Amino acid sequence: DAGITQSPRHKVTETGTPVTLRCHQTENHRYMYWYRQDPGHGLRLIHYSYGVKDTDKGEVSDGYSVSRSKTEDFLLTLESATSSQTSVYFCAISESVFTGTGGFYGYTFGSGTRLTVV
Amino acid sequence: DAKTTQPTSMDCAEGRAANLPCNHSTISGNEYVYWYRQIHSQGPQYIIHGLKNNETNEMASLIITEDRKSSTLILPHATLRDTAVYYCIVRGSSNTGKLIFGQGTTLQVKP
Repeated sequence: DAGITQSPRHKVTETGTPVTLRCHQTENHRYMYWYRQDPGHGLRLIHYSYGVKDTDKGEVSDGYSVSRSKTEDFLLTLESATSSQTSVYFCAISESVFTGTGGFYGYTFGSGTRLTVV
Repeated sequence: DAKTTQPTSMDCAEGRAANLPCNHSTISGNEYVYWYRQIHSQGPQYIIHGLKNNETNEMASLIITEDRKSSTLILPHATLRDTAVYYCIVRGSSNTGKLIFGQGTTLQVKP
């Protein structure tokens, strides 16, 4: 999607190796998120960020760490990849928007990174 | 954030209206209803959102019941390209902004 890019799009790695996925945005949005999607589980939130150096855990954060040193980049790191981390990873960005009925968040998702751990 | 309940799957004939229901009986006053869809292997796409009034945009209409405990997403003239998983999400305006997905409804539009 325009304004948000994920890299790489595909990656195959070996068990036990470190892996870093990158999410880059050009929208200057405050909030960024990492999700994983697996068959039978839908989209699950891994970590999210609500500003530079401000991050928090989501539903399935074990085995993952994140960093956000600048507004436009949100990195997801698998310190020691395992086969259970084989998944499709989506990044999302959002910003609060205020209308006549109050505030809401507009979300935009990236195209995903397909990670295979062998 | 309130939990939602959606049917697992639905079929719709091409050209007909697709009506996708969502129950959110524990919704609170400041929580919005969002609808997203995910076409195979792509990232989720925003469709529409609402607070209490019915909403319409170029993609769909959202009907929210008066008690706000349920809503219906309407695709007025479904096409084959509307085949996707549709997610109904309810969330408030907390500082984190995070979006929690359920299992969604798989809509199959048939010729």
